[in-house]
Amino acid sequence: KAGVTQTPRYLIKTRGQQVTLSCSPISGHRSVSWYQQTPGQGLQFLFEYFSETQRNKGNFPGRFSGRQFSNSRSEMNVSTLELGDSALYLCASSLVSGPPDTQYFGPGTRLTVL
Amino acid sequence: KQEVTQIPAALSVPEGENLVLNCSFTDSAIYNLQWFRQDPGKGLTSLLLIQSSQREQTSGRLNASLDKSSGRSTLYIAASQPGDSATYLCAGGDNTDKLIFGTGTRLQVFP
Repeated sequence: KAGVTQTPRYLIKTRGQQVTLSCSPISGHRSVSWYQQTPGQGLQFLFEYFSETQRNKGNFPGRFSGRQFSNSRSEMNVSTLELGDSALYLCASSLVSGPPDTQYFGPGTRLTVL
Repeated sequence: KQEVTQIPAALSVPEGENLVLNCSFTDSAIYNLQWFRQDPGKGLTSLLLIQSSQREQTSGRLNASLDKSSGRSTLYIAASQPGDSATYLCAGGDNTDKLIFGTGTRLQVFP
């Protein structure tokens, strides 16, 4: 069974632009979560989607948004990029939302903002 | 607000040693505790998941324990190998898929 896939793997953008990242969960998984990883802040939760509904949201500004489609694929969007948005963005999927499921992570999208 | 801390931040050991990585959390109302491994520039690989009702989980040379009352979890790695070199992260889960991650322990096992 294929794992979680994220596209693109690498992105370079300039300040002020916007970006869309995509995540395809493991087949049959309905929950997708997004995380931002930076050297200074570590791994921080962005949001979680389950059955096309945002179930949980982390403490990030409104420039960060996401959505989930009926096939469980998810996208996250960052508008008006700032230098501090440079990070590894990871998505994770699980069968259903919440315990006892294990979350499976994708390889991440490395975003560099110049 | 859940906070997760990991000690030590870095560890370098010779091959063959048994070692313990520590994880502390502030909110005992934790639903589960997961241990992950991350290789440089890569995503996370789930190692062990301990539900709140469990005390420990084992997988091969790995054993993880959970003590909710003291707010601690430990990951025990037996007979370490150079291939175990990576960053190890613990994360506390609530009743959703939100995970609160620790800062990680960077492990190097040298031959």
